[in-house]
Amino acid sequence: EIVLTQSPATLSLSPGERATLSCRASQSISTSLAWYQQTPGQAPRLLIYGASKRATGIPARFSGSGSGTDFTLTISSLEPEDFAVYYCQQRDSWPSITFGQGTRLEIK
Amino acid sequence: EVRLVESGGVVVQPGGSLRLSCAASGFAFDDYTMHWLRQVPGKGLEWVSLITWNSDTTYYADSVKGLFTISRDNSRNSLFLQMNSLRTEDTALYYCAKSLSGYDSYLDYWGQGTLVTVSS
Repeated sequence: EIVLTQSPATLSLSPGERATLSCRASQSISTSLAWYQQTPGQAPRLLIYGASKRATGIPARFSGSGSGTDFTLTISSLEPEDFAVYYCQQRDSWPSITFGQGTRLEIK
Repeated sequence: EVRLVESGGVVVQPGGSLRLSCAASGFAFDDYTMHWLRQVPGKGLEWVSLITWNSDTTYYADSVKGLFTISRDNSRNSLFLQMNSLRTEDTALYYCAKSLSGYDSYLDYWGQGTLVTVSS
């Protein structure tokens, strides 16, 4: 099973700052990675797929990069609504898909 | 507007059975692979099962294989999850999710979930 490890577990930043979240795969997954955002009481929302493609309606401040085993989600300038939990997900081992344990982005 | 509405979550005793439903609207349901996922409140996400558009192929997480059965009725735009021999560790919020066009395993729309509690 492919294991995804996200870091840090918690990231404390202020609005307007840049956020960098990491996801590392236990083996190479090419660019078969997505990022999701989950706010309290809500279902996850797809942000990025294919490592770097923004999903429909996602603001340009969200960007994804990486390939192989190391991936990054960057939020260029944090808005108040961006404080949430972020999960990475791999689909390289289709049909089985797995998620990272999540990074909590909190207001400093 | 795409909508996915799950139902059927209740409190059930260990060893019991439950059938979850997901009503879909706002898209061509019979064109898409659909998924069930779950989340223990306050914890991470776990993929449970998928079914292809024509029900030709189904897959399950090892944790539920042989216990859960996914199915769909394209004439009713509905997805189902039959859960048997339920265990306390199956307690979670269960989501149905739609696959992204062209990608069977990225999930672009999710329902709000239905809570299954397995407890005596």
